[in-house]
Amino acid sequence: GQQVMQIPQYQHVQEGEDFTTYCNSSTTLSNIQWYKQRPGGHPVFLIQLVKSGEVKKQKRLTFQFGEAKKNSSLHITATQTTDVGTYFCAGPGGSGNTGKLIFGQGTTLQVKP
Amino acid sequence: EPEVTQTPSHQVTQMGQEVILRCVPISNHLYFYWYRQILGQKVEFLVSFYNNEISEKSEIFDDQFSVERPDGSNFTLKIRSTKLEDSAMYFCASSADDRALTFGSGTRLTVV
Repeated sequence: GQQVMQIPQYQHVQEGEDFTTYCNSSTTLSNIQWYKQRPGGHPVFLIQLVKSGEVKKQKRLTFQFGEAKKNSSLHITATQTTDVGTYFCAGPGGSGNTGKLIFGQGTTLQVKP
Repeated sequence: EPEVTQTPSHQVTQMGQEVILRCVPISNHLYFYWYRQILGQKVEFLVSFYNNEISEKSEIFDDQFSVERPDGSNFTLKIRSTKLEDSAMYFCASSADDRALTFGSGTRLTVV
């Protein structure tokens, strides 16, 4: 079946360093979404990318959707302790518009102050 | 900001017992979902619900699971006969446009 994979699984950085997580799908995606889950919390929607090669920025976060629409990345510039959490990418997995999302395993970011 | 509300926050139940997890989606949303997350693992899709019927369900969502929207505001997940492996965090989510999901805070289900 369809798979969404993320690397790395864990990343420890010093505050101020950059961070990148990569997401790969086994199939072409119509869109890709990114969610952040704080420790003990619930996933919170960050962004959706739809177009091939699309790049979107949210302050220090840069999201990219690959040309083939099978991969994506999230880059955080100059990490802060508030960036701590697990970042999940998710792609549609249903037949038609059912809202079924296939989540990657997530990348857990730890930031040392 | 509108929220998806889930109750209870934590449920402990004996194996074989029935549990009902409750959710109040955002009021103008039309699409409703249940996901679960076993501790430390990824978020897994269970079921999606639109126009008063299931639109898709996963292999996890077997005959022991059911969903209902008994009135205009609540959305429930019932597990008829819980198993130890049903222990997980269950997240309800809703969406206005079948795209960006708003998740609730979750119900931690512990089956003993």
